[in-house]
Amino acid sequence: AQSVTQPDIHITVSEGASLELRCNYSYGATPYLFWYVQSPGQGLQLLLKYFSGDTLVQGIKGFEAEFKRSQSSFNLRKPSVHWSDAAEYFCAVGAWEYGNKLVFGAGTILRVKS
Amino acid sequence: DAGITQSPRYKITETGRQVTLMCHQTWSHSYMFWYRQDLGHGLRLIYYSAAADITDKGEVPDGYVVSRSKTENFPLTLESATRSQTSVYFCASRAQGAVLGAEQYFGPGTRLTVT
Repeated sequence: AQSVTQPDIHITVSEGASLELRCNYSYGATPYLFWYVQSPGQGLQLLLKYFSGDTLVQGIKGFEAEFKRSQSSFNLRKPSVHWSDAAEYFCAVGAWEYGNKLVFGAGTILRVKS
Repeated sequence: DAGITQSPRYKITETGRQVTLMCHQTWSHSYMFWYRQDLGHGLRLIYYSAAADITDKGEVPDGYVVSRSKTENFPLTLESATRSQTSVYFCASRAQGAVLGAEQYFGPGTRLTVT
């Protein structure tokens, strides 16, 4: 079965520090991957996506993610976190072979210390 | 307004009552989805629709009913609400076609409490 694992439920970083959020997937098909962000009381906003080509993808708000097929990972990074980045982050995986339905990870809550 | 909207935004109902959550999108997207969000589970797909009059079950469909008579609307009905259906419900839509990496656009969510 398809699954997405975000190992960290909560992460706390200091403002200005670097950030890496982990995402691992198990998929029996060629995946495409997304990172979404959810601010409190809001819907989900797309940060970035990967479906082919360069394995390092750039997104909005200074985020980037790297697809590593050998490790089944799609980790999200940001070199310098801002207080406004505090939110919940979701990794999602889909595949054309599975009807383009997305499977979401459980989410990682990011707290930013000033 | 353009985009995807959900109503109501907040709902409290009693066990056994029927509840309908509404979703409306203005992009004429073919695909629409209903998810529920619960702590520790992320988003789980309840039902989805590839076009008007075409719907299919997702991961957690039990206790829910959907319909899609018009492309822009995708209501979700809880026929007899249970406390386990207390959750935040998100509607999403996506453009047509097996486009790799096609993004889903999400509504603001409906917070449902079943007492």
